[in-house]
Amino acid sequence: GAVVSQHPSRVICKSGTSVKIECRSLDFQATTMFWYRQFPKQSLMLMATSNEGSKATYEQGVEKDKFLINHASLTLSTLTVTSAHPEDSSFYICSAPLGRITSSGEQYFGPGTRLTVT
Amino acid sequence: DAKTTQPPSMDCAEGRAANLPCNHSTISGNEYVYWYRQIHSQGPQYIIHGLKNNETNEMASLIITEDRKSSTLILPHATLRDTAVYYCIVRGVNTDKLIFGTGTRLQVFP
Repeated sequence: GAVVSQHPSRVICKSGTSVKIECRSLDFQATTMFWYRQFPKQSLMLMATSNEGSKATYEQGVEKDKFLINHASLTLSTLTVTSAHPEDSSFYICSAPLGRITSSGEQYFGPGTRLTVT
Repeated sequence: DAKTTQPPSMDCAEGRAANLPCNHSTISGNEYVYWYRQIHSQGPQYIIHGLKNNETNEMASLIITEDRKSSTLILPHATLRDTAVYYCIVRGVNTDKLIFGTGTRLQVFP
């Protein structure tokens, strides 16, 4: 099946610094990608939709100036957590649908990035 | 908000069938039922999806009731590696957004 990768898999940063997480579709093109956040023992929460060639769409309650999303190409989306704080420590996961929006499109998820802010 | 309700946890003996229920009583006619699972500290994995008819693939079977208000995911011969959180998600045809509910934590024991 299709593969989505994330880099880095783990990152530790100091409070106040910014961290960039990459999401790549390795063997298919993705005009849309999604970013999720998952706290321990909780479900995935959709943060935003990354759109190639246009601005990201953020879910209600997600600060767009804090979580910068850039969909640089058809295979790469980046999430930058700016001025990170300990409460931003979480598991960040990206996903990409295979092909155009269809009635039966599968969606592939990356392995996740564990961010720890000290 | 998630449109599905699932039991928080279930147990299953290795080698037996695991039947995971999902309630989606407000599902619309053009919405599909998707199942994903998440093994600890990994990204979710697609399992199966369906609209009205029952579906089967190499991983599982999906049984959807005639009124479409509920469904059951069946893992025919559960193994220890099937221990995971299973998410039932309803998705419309005009969006790729997947809104995750709380899921069912399936524990397969020897």
